[in-house]
Amino acid sequence: QLQLQESGPGLVQPSETLSLTCTVSGGSISDTTYYWDWIRRPPGKGLEWIGSIYYSGNTHYSPSLKSRVTISVDTSKNQFSLKLNSLTASDTAVYYCARTRSFYERALDYWGQGTLVTVSS
Amino acid sequence: DIQMTQSPSSLSASVGDRVTITCRASQGISNYLAWYQQKPGRVPKLLIYAASTLQSGVPSRFSGSGSGTDFTLTISSLQPEDVASYYCQKYNSAPHTFGQGTRLEIK
Repeated sequence: QLQLQESGPGLVQPSETLSLTCTVSGGSISDTTYYWDWIRRPPGKGLEWIGSIYYSGNTHYSPSLKSRVTISVDTSKNQFSLKLNSLTASDTAVYYCARTRSFYERALDYWGQGTLVTVSS
Repeated sequence: DIQMTQSPSSLSASVGDRVTITCRASQGISNYLAWYQQKPGRVPKLLIYAASTLQSGVPSRFSGSGSGTDFTLTISSLQPEDVASYYCQKYNSAPHTFGQGTRLEIK
């Protein structure tokens, strides 16, 4: 059974950079079938798509975050990562990693449990 | 970028009611649309993909329809465990934008 697990700091200072990692188990991140996504949900708000990466390193980003976000993949560790810089309080959210159903069918069928990130001094 | 607009933003219905949530895309997206359910404190769950295909394990009271710009999620007979927020997401091309969500409550 595929599992995804987010890890990273729960509290980050404003203006700093958030680094989160998603570890994939029960499957290979190098599987050519899938894309791997990051999504967040700020408190009291809805889901926001952050971006997506393929095992080859090909990425797509939300235009609203593109200037501040980098998603990378480490196939040797079966992980992919999110970096978001210049943090403000509005970046406080539960951050999720997820897998697409397939290369062409990009609905998200497996999700991590999510990790709460609070941006505060 | 294509915008996704859900309606209503909140909904209260009785057990056994037929419930309909709509999602409209600002441009055509063919059938590249998914529906998710998120219960309080839980992880989002995929209900429907390709606009009308039921994800494995999802109860048959959930159904999806539509193509192009207008889409619908229907719950044929509302159950107490269906209390949740529901989101549509388009994925024809990046960005894979979510709708703003619909909060469903039991009357």
